[in-house]
Amino acid sequence: DTEVTQTPKHLVMGMTNKKSLKCEQHMGHRAMYWYKQKAKKPPELMFVYSYEKLSINESVPSRFSPECPNSSLLNLHLHALQPEDSALYLCASSQTGLRPEAFFGQGTRLTVV
Amino acid sequence: GQQLNQSPQSMFIQEGEDVSMNCTSSSIFNTWLWYKQEPGEGPVLLIALYKAGELTSNGRLTAQFGITRKDSFLNISASIPSDVGIYFCAGQYSGGSNYKLTFGKGTLLTVNP
Repeated sequence: DTEVTQTPKHLVMGMTNKKSLKCEQHMGHRAMYWYKQKAKKPPELMFVYSYEKLSINESVPSRFSPECPNSSLLNLHLHALQPEDSALYLCASSQTGLRPEAFFGQGTRLTVV
Repeated sequence: GQQLNQSPQSMFIQEGEDVSMNCTSSSIFNTWLWYKQEPGEGPVLLIALYKAGELTSNGRLTAQFGITRKDSFLNISASIPSDVGIYFCAGQYSGGSNYKLTFGKGTLLTVNP
């Protein structure tokens, strides 16, 4: 099973709303990631969790708040977003160590109105 | 920071033709990955390369890890319409807890039936 599951698939939210994106994997991977992707651009790294601890924050605005409740779950809490935050948000996971290839979920298409 | 140059940016080919795309880096990588992304979906891992000079196949796809560790190419033989999508290369230099992938800008492949 090489599946990373993201919910919801689509999300429309107002600039004053609070919402959360969810990600789940059961591959035993101990590194999990959030990426942001604009149309026809490569994914941009936002956060990395390693062994449930935040190891990389790519200077992401505080209106994005990640959470890793356990080794299988990753959340991204959203608050007071701007229209320019509209994008495809991708979750990924990988083993640590010598096999770093990341497996991506289908993504959440977020629209901020 | 590390940068990847991926070329070509786009390709428009006839069904049955072979395709070649490549990535070059300003610095060395320990791992090269090739992903395919279709509209509205997350990137799907096609091939992972771990050793300089390594040549790996996955069906009609063949990829190589350059001996300088600064480049990689992906070939697709006998293209079919379902090969349509954006192909991304990604490199990783594994050091300590560094799980960051550097992505190329992508090659948009269109296959004319």
